[in-house]
Order: sequence, then structure tokens, then C-alpha cells
Amino acid sequence: GAVVSQHPSRVICKSGTSVKIECRSLDFQATTMFWYRQFPKKSLMLMATSNEGSKATYEQGVEKDKFLINHASLTLSTLTVTSAHPEDSSFYICSARDLNRPLGGYTFGSGTRLTVV
Amino acid sequence: GQQLNQSPQSMFIQEGEDVSMNCTSSSIFNTWLWYKQDPGEGPVLLIALYKAGELTSNGRLTAQFGITRKDSFLNISASIPSDVGIYFCAGQLNSAGTASKLTFGTGTRLQVTL
Repeated sequence: GAVVSQHPSRVICKSGTSVKIECRSLDFQATTMFWYRQFPKKSLMLMATSNEGSKATYEQGVEKDKFLINHASLTLSTLTVTSAHPEDSSFYICSARDLNRPLGGYTFGSGTRLTVV
Repeated sequence: GQQLNQSPQSMFIQEGEDVSMNCTSSSIFNTWLWYKQDPGEGPVLLIALYKAGELTSNGRLTAQFGITRKDSFLNISASIPSDVGIYFCAGQLNSAGTASKLTFGTGTRLQVTL
């Protein structure tokens, strides 16, 4: 149980274009999902908290107009990297918690490797 | 953003050896989590700790929630090649019933030699 699916797993895009990454909770509902960014050999840095039915909460230093988050339903959150540039190349990971599992931790998606050329 | 300090940063060990790593924070947490990440994958939960002083095992893994609530350690006994990966601790301030954000440690890279 508590499976989180992330798509696509890899994407290469041209500089200036936008890329959308999807995060789905497959067997539970998630009113809250989280988006992280991870650079090579580094830890996960929280970018934003995605809230179903309301605006996302962004961490300090993360441009909300650059990284658009939409939590359209209780099982889907999307992260759109707008006008991507090479410095946006990174590993993006989402996570969610099944609140019906009292002793469960957060489940992570398998990540999306974004390369901007 | 804030990160938790993990040590060691990396370690090379021989198969069969025991491994110990820890995580410290300047602030308290109500929940400590330990994750393992393989290359190109998302982190996978290993152990969750919800109470100060709690000692929990999951197979060859044992983790403890520090009494001060500012630290945690993870032990792996009798390491095997598939233990290779990066281990992250994560702290959460609010626990059951909420989905508040996690703060991650800097990671410990484990490599196992035969």
C-alpha cells in the first residue's frame, strides 16, 4: 500500500520550453504532497508543499512563477517547470503521506530526471 | 533550507561488517525517519521512530530516537552488497494525523566491498 507514481521518469527539453511532471497517489488520497529537488550527490531540498484545493506553499528562495504547482485532485499534483533553463536540470521527486496509515512514513515517487539543453 | 547533519558522509566497508551512522539537529523533532536511496530512484522508507528513546528494528536495521529529540542513529548489521546506497535521515516536527514537511539529513553514502 501507499504507492506514489511519478511521471515521466526522464525528460529532456530545450531551453525556454516548459515541462510538466505528474505525481499520483495510487491507492490512497493525499490532501498534501511535497515536491523536492535533488542535485547530484546532494540531499533532497524541499521546494514546495502542494495542497489540494488551495495554493501551494513555497520554500524560501523557490520562485513560484517558475515552478507552478497544481494539486487538481486528491490523488494528483503536478509540477510545471516554466521557461526551463540548463540550471533547472535536476532530479525532481514528489512525496505524499497516507494519513490512514497511523505508523506510516512519507512515500516517495521514483523521481524525474530533467535535463534542459 | 535547513538540513540535518549526518555522519559519516561516506563509508567503505567490507561485506559482513556492521555499520553505524547518525544524524543530529539543532532543533527538536517529534518523528525521525530513515530512508535509503538507490541511484536514479526516490527514497524508500526503512524505519520510522515516533517517541524519544524509542529503539526500533527492521531486519538487520536498528534505529533509535535520541532522548533529547535532536538526534537519531541507524545501525546495519552484517552488511551485504545490496546495502549499497545513500542513507538519509529525516525529521518531522508534527507526527500522527498530519502531513507536515520533512527536513532531510545530508546523507551517508555506503559502499560495500566483497
